[in-house]
Amino acid sequence: AQSVTQLGSHVSVSEGALVLLRCNYSSSVPPYLFWYVQYPNQGLQLLLKYTSAATLVKGINGFEAEFKKSETSFHLTKPSAHMSDAAEYFCAVSKGNQGGKLIFGQGTELSVKP
Amino acid sequence: GAVVSQHPSWVICKSGTSVKIECRSLDFQATTMFWYRQFPKQSLMLMATSNEGSKATYEQGVEKDKFLINHASLTLSTLTVTSAHPEDSSFYICSASHEHQETQYFGPGTRLLVL
Repeated sequence: AQSVTQLGSHVSVSEGALVLLRCNYSSSVPPYLFWYVQYPNQGLQLLLKYTSAATLVKGINGFEAEFKKSETSFHLTKPSAHMSDAAEYFCAVSKGNQGGKLIFGQGTELSVKP
Repeated sequence: GAVVSQHPSWVICKSGTSVKIECRSLDFQATTMFWYRQFPKQSLMLMATSNEGSKATYEQGVEKDKFLINHASLTLSTLTVTSAHPEDSSFYICSASHEHQETQYFGPGTRLLVL
Protein backbone atom coordinates (compact mmCIF):
# COMPACT_ATOMS: atom_id res chain seq x y z
CA ALA A 1 0.00 0.00 0.00
CA GLN A 2 1.07 3.54 -0.61
CA SER A 3 0.84 6.45 1.78
CA VAL A 4 2.04 10.01 2.15
CA THR A 5 2.83 11.97 5.28
CA GLN A 6 3.27 15.71 5.28
CA LEU A 7 5.01 16.93 8.40
CA GLY A 8 3.42 20.10 9.67
CA SER A 9 -0.12 21.09 8.85
CA HIS A 10 0.89 24.72 8.92
CA VAL A 11 4.17 26.43 8.05
CA SER A 12 4.81 30.14 8.40
CA VAL A 13 7.75 31.96 6.84
CA SER A 14 8.75 35.56 6.27
CA GLU A 15 8.77 37.02 2.81
CA GLY A 16 12.15 36.30 1.24
CA ALA A 17 12.90 33.37 3.52
CA LEU A 18 13.45 29.76 2.50
CA VAL A 19 10.35 27.62 2.10
CA LEU A 20 10.63 23.98 3.10
CA LEU A 21 7.58 21.72 3.05
CA ARG A 22 8.18 18.14 4.08
CA CYS A 23 6.78 15.01 2.49
CA ASN A 24 7.58 11.39 3.23
CA TYR A 25 6.07 8.48 1.37
CA SER A 26 5.81 4.75 1.53
CA SER A 27 5.40 2.61 -1.54
CA SER A 28 5.95 -1.02 -2.42
CA VAL A 29 6.78 -0.09 -5.99
CA PRO A 30 8.87 2.73 -7.47
CA PRO A 31 6.66 5.73 -6.87
CA TYR A 32 5.62 8.66 -8.94
CA LEU A 33 5.50 11.73 -6.70
CA PHE A 34 3.72 15.02 -7.12
CA TRP A 35 3.34 18.38 -5.45
CA TYR A 36 0.16 20.33 -6.03
CA VAL A 37 -0.84 23.80 -4.81
CA GLN A 38 -4.38 24.87 -3.98
CA TYR A 39 -5.47 28.47 -3.58
CA PRO A 40 -8.69 29.18 -1.65
CA ASN A 41 -11.83 27.89 -3.33
CA GLN A 42 -9.91 26.60 -6.31
CA GLY A 43 -8.81 23.28 -7.72
CA LEU A 44 -5.28 21.92 -7.60
CA GLN A 45 -2.45 23.12 -9.77
CA LEU A 46 0.51 20.88 -10.52
CA LEU A 47 3.78 22.34 -9.21
CA LEU A 48 6.11 19.52 -10.16
CA LYS A 49 6.41 15.76 -10.46
CA TYR A 50 8.97 13.01 -10.12
CA THR A 51 8.64 10.09 -12.51
CA SER A 52 11.91 8.18 -12.07
CA ALA A 53 14.10 10.49 -14.11
CA ALA A 54 16.25 13.18 -12.47
CA THR A 55 15.99 13.14 -8.68
CA LEU A 56 16.04 16.94 -8.45
CA VAL A 57 12.88 18.22 -10.05
CA LYS A 58 12.24 21.83 -10.90
CA GLY A 59 8.72 23.11 -11.10
CA ILE A 60 6.79 26.26 -11.66
CA ASN A 61 7.02 29.47 -9.61
CA GLY A 62 10.57 28.73 -8.49
CA PHE A 63 9.77 25.57 -6.56
CA GLU A 64 11.84 22.42 -6.65
CA ALA A 65 11.85 19.06 -4.91
CA GLU A 66 14.40 16.33 -4.44
CA PHE A 67 13.56 12.64 -4.47
CA LYS A 68 15.62 10.81 -1.84
CA LYS A 69 14.96 7.11 -1.95
CA SER A 70 17.08 6.36 1.13
CA GLU A 71 15.00 8.77 3.18
CA THR A 72 11.71 8.06 1.35
CA SER A 73 11.29 11.80 1.09
CA PHE A 74 10.23 14.34 -1.51
CA HIS A 75 10.50 17.70 0.23
CA LEU A 76 9.45 20.87 -1.55
CA THR A 77 11.65 23.95 -1.39
CA LYS A 78 11.80 27.50 -2.68
CA PRO A 79 14.76 29.77 -1.93
CA SER A 80 12.76 32.95 -1.39
CA ALA A 81 9.11 33.09 -0.42
CA HIS A 82 6.71 35.54 -1.99
CA MET A 83 3.42 36.68 -0.53
CA SER A 84 1.69 35.02 -3.47
CA ASP A 85 3.02 31.62 -2.35
CA ALA A 86 0.55 31.56 0.54
CA ALA A 87 -1.67 28.57 -0.19
CA GLU A 88 -2.31 24.93 0.67
CA TYR A 89 0.24 22.45 -0.64
CA PHE A 90 -0.40 18.77 -1.19
CA CYS A 91 2.10 15.98 -1.75
CA ALA A 92 0.80 12.92 -3.56
CA VAL A 93 2.04 9.50 -4.65
CA SER A 94 0.86 7.14 -7.36
CA LYS A 95 1.94 3.88 -8.85
CA GLY A 96 2.58 5.52 -12.18
CA ASN A 97 1.14 5.46 -15.64
CA GLN A 98 -2.26 4.69 -17.06
CA GLY A 99 -3.87 7.32 -14.91
CA GLY A 100 -3.04 5.73 -11.59
CA LYS A 101 -4.84 6.77 -8.43
CA LEU A 102 -3.25 9.51 -6.39
CA ILE A 103 -2.82 9.16 -2.67
CA PHE A 104 -2.68 12.60 -1.07
CA GLY A 105 -1.01 13.79 2.06
CA GLN A 106 -2.93 15.81 4.61
CA GLY A 107 -1.79 19.09 3.18
CA THR A 108 0.38 21.91 4.53
CA GLU A 109 -0.88 25.45 4.73
CA LEU A 110 1.87 27.93 3.95
CA SER A 111 1.59 31.44 5.36
CA VAL A 112 3.97 34.18 4.26
CA LYS A 113 4.50 37.14 6.57
CA PRO A 114 5.53 40.53 5.19
CA GLY B 1 -2.58 22.75 -22.44
CA ALA B 2 -4.28 20.21 -20.14
CA VAL B 3 -7.15 22.39 -19.00
CA VAL B 4 -10.06 20.92 -17.09
CA SER B 5 -13.26 22.81 -16.41
CA GLN B 6 -16.14 22.17 -14.06
CA HIS B 7 -19.68 23.43 -14.16
CA PRO B 8 -21.24 24.84 -12.15
CA SER B 9 -18.63 26.44 -9.91
CA TRP B 10 -21.14 26.59 -7.08
CA VAL B 11 -24.66 25.39 -6.53
CA ILE B 12 -27.25 25.71 -3.78
CA CYS B 13 -30.11 23.25 -3.73
CA LYS B 14 -32.91 22.07 -1.49
CA SER B 15 -32.69 18.83 0.41
CA GLY B 16 -34.07 15.92 -1.62
CA THR B 17 -33.22 17.30 -5.02
CA SER B 18 -30.53 16.01 -7.39
CA VAL B 19 -27.57 17.99 -8.63
CA LYS B 20 -25.42 17.30 -11.68
CA ILE B 21 -21.81 18.47 -11.91
CA GLU B 22 -19.95 18.41 -15.21
CA CYS B 23 -16.23 17.90 -15.70
CA ARG B 24 -14.71 18.60 -19.09
CA SER B 25 -11.22 18.25 -20.50
CA LEU B 26 -10.95 21.20 -22.86
CA ASP B 27 -7.83 20.48 -24.87
CA PHE B 28 -7.09 16.79 -24.49
CA GLN B 29 -8.83 13.45 -24.48
CA ALA B 30 -9.23 12.13 -20.98
CA THR B 31 -9.46 8.38 -20.89
CA THR B 32 -9.67 8.47 -17.11
CA MET B 33 -11.40 10.95 -14.86
CA PHE B 34 -11.45 11.04 -11.10
CA TRP B 35 -13.93 12.57 -8.66
CA TYR B 36 -12.83 13.86 -5.28
CA ARG B 37 -14.54 15.37 -2.31
CA GLN B 38 -12.87 17.87 -0.02
CA PHE B 39 -14.08 19.04 3.37
CA PRO B 40 -12.87 22.37 4.80
CA LYS B 41 -9.25 22.34 5.84
CA GLN B 42 -8.87 18.72 4.80
CA SER B 43 -7.23 16.77 2.03
CA LEU B 44 -8.90 15.35 -1.03
CA MET B 45 -10.81 12.12 -0.70
CA LEU B 46 -11.09 10.04 -3.86
CA MET B 47 -14.68 9.05 -4.49
CA ALA B 48 -14.45 7.18 -7.77
CA THR B 49 -12.47 6.56 -10.93
CA SER B 50 -14.19 6.56 -14.28
CA ASN B 51 -12.93 5.33 -17.60
CA GLU B 52 -14.60 6.39 -20.81
CA GLY B 53 -17.31 3.96 -21.79
CA SER B 54 -17.05 1.90 -18.60
CA LYS B 55 -18.75 1.83 -15.26
CA ALA B 56 -17.07 3.88 -12.60
CA THR B 57 -15.04 2.23 -9.85
CA TYR B 58 -16.07 3.56 -6.47
CA GLU B 59 -13.89 3.78 -3.38
CA GLN B 60 -14.88 1.91 -0.28
CA GLY B 61 -17.61 3.67 1.61
CA VAL B 62 -18.86 5.74 -1.32
CA GLU B 63 -22.47 4.99 -2.25
CA LYS B 64 -22.64 4.39 -5.98
CA ASP B 65 -26.41 4.84 -6.04
CA LYS B 66 -26.07 8.22 -4.37
CA PHE B 67 -23.19 9.51 -6.44
CA LEU B 68 -23.90 8.59 -10.04
CA ILE B 69 -20.96 8.96 -12.39
CA ASN B 70 -21.14 8.91 -16.16
CA HIS B 71 -18.15 9.14 -18.51
CA ALA B 72 -19.82 9.01 -21.88
CA SER B 73 -17.13 10.68 -23.93
CA LEU B 74 -13.40 11.33 -23.84
CA THR B 75 -13.97 14.92 -22.78
CA LEU B 76 -16.90 14.77 -20.39
CA SER B 77 -17.71 13.11 -17.10
CA THR B 78 -20.65 13.94 -14.87
CA LEU B 79 -21.30 13.43 -11.19
CA THR B 80 -24.91 13.45 -10.06
CA VAL B 81 -25.63 13.74 -6.37
CA THR B 82 -29.04 12.15 -6.00
CA SER B 83 -31.50 13.09 -3.27
CA ALA B 84 -28.99 15.48 -1.79
CA HIS B 85 -28.93 16.11 1.95
CA PRO B 86 -27.10 18.75 4.00
CA GLU B 87 -24.31 16.29 4.81
CA ASP B 88 -23.54 16.12 1.08
CA SER B 89 -22.53 19.76 1.17
CA SER B 90 -18.88 19.87 0.18
CA PHE B 91 -16.33 20.91 -2.41
CA TYR B 92 -16.26 18.45 -5.30
CA ILE B 93 -13.22 18.37 -7.56
CA CYS B 94 -12.64 16.36 -10.69
CA SER B 95 -9.39 15.51 -12.43
CA ALA B 96 -8.52 14.01 -15.77
CA SER B 97 -5.57 12.22 -17.27
CA HIS B 98 -4.41 11.26 -20.73
CA GLU B 99 -4.13 7.64 -21.74
CA HIS B 100 -0.93 6.08 -20.35
CA GLN B 101 0.00 9.30 -18.58
CA GLU B 102 0.73 9.65 -14.90
CA THR B 103 -0.35 13.23 -14.31
CA GLN B 104 -3.83 14.25 -13.26
CA TYR B 105 -5.07 17.69 -14.19
CA PHE B 106 -7.61 19.16 -11.86
CA GLY B 107 -10.73 21.18 -12.41
CA PRO B 108 -11.47 24.32 -10.39
CA GLY B 109 -13.99 22.54 -8.18
CA THR B 110 -17.70 22.85 -7.49
CA ARG B 111 -19.01 23.98 -4.13
CA LEU B 112 -22.31 22.34 -3.25
CA LEU B 113 -24.53 23.63 -0.47
CA VAL B 114 -27.62 21.63 0.37
CA LEU B 115 -30.21 23.46 2.45
